[in-house]
Amino acid sequence: SQQGEEDPQALSIQEGENATMNCSYKTSINNLQWYRQNSGRGLVHLILIRSNEREKHSGRLRVTLDTSKKSSSLLITASRAADTASYFCARHHPFQGGSEKLVFGKGTKLTVNP
Amino acid sequence: SAVISQKPSRDICQRGTSLTIQCQVDSQVTMMFWYRQQPGQSLTLIATANQGSEATYESGFVIDKFPISRPNLTFSTLTVSNMSPEDSSIYLCSVEGGGGALETQYFGPGTRLLVL
Repeated sequence: SQQGEEDPQALSIQEGENATMNCSYKTSINNLQWYRQNSGRGLVHLILIRSNEREKHSGRLRVTLDTSKKSSSLLITASRAADTASYFCARHHPFQGGSEKLVFGKGTKLTVNP
Repeated sequence: SAVISQKPSRDICQRGTSLTIQCQVDSQVTMMFWYRQQPGQSLTLIATANQGSEATYESGFVIDKFPISRPNLTFSTLTVSNMSPEDSSIYLCSVEGGGGALETQYFGPGTRLLVL
């Protein structure tokens, strides 16, 4: 399967705690992205990290990428109830005509309890 | 970033019927993507639609079941044909954010389909 694996599948924490979600994949990548989805709605893009980057920050989000281990992690610090959502990693996969398509992982369902 | 709208936002359909989902983007884009998300699952790419050419379907998806139109650079439709309860899913369209090769992909709000 081209899909990546994410763990944990579900994560429940208290407000203020940090949440870490991991994503592993099997083939080499160019870029990798993280998305958030609230209650089966559309996806919101969070961060794109390139294969030559090791870490990237955006507000309370920190993404790391280890190409040697074929894995990425998303850390949400000081979580809030509004962070409750499903989080997906998506890796870029070569496609026709030199373009790329996204292959999504299975996702982690995060619940932040107030 | 691109602003994407989809119609309908949700629908309940009878088996054997067909539903056409519309996707409108606020800017011209080369490639548009259609995804399916079955209940509790991740997203699976159905097909990629370029303007002026036939859509390219992923393994497991065929044109007869999911015909796609791409009449211009801001619009696309996906039809779910001869529906069965297994087609109950969220269908999402997305576009590249620009900047050459795939950088960021932006998603519409999705169409939630229930087939009875």
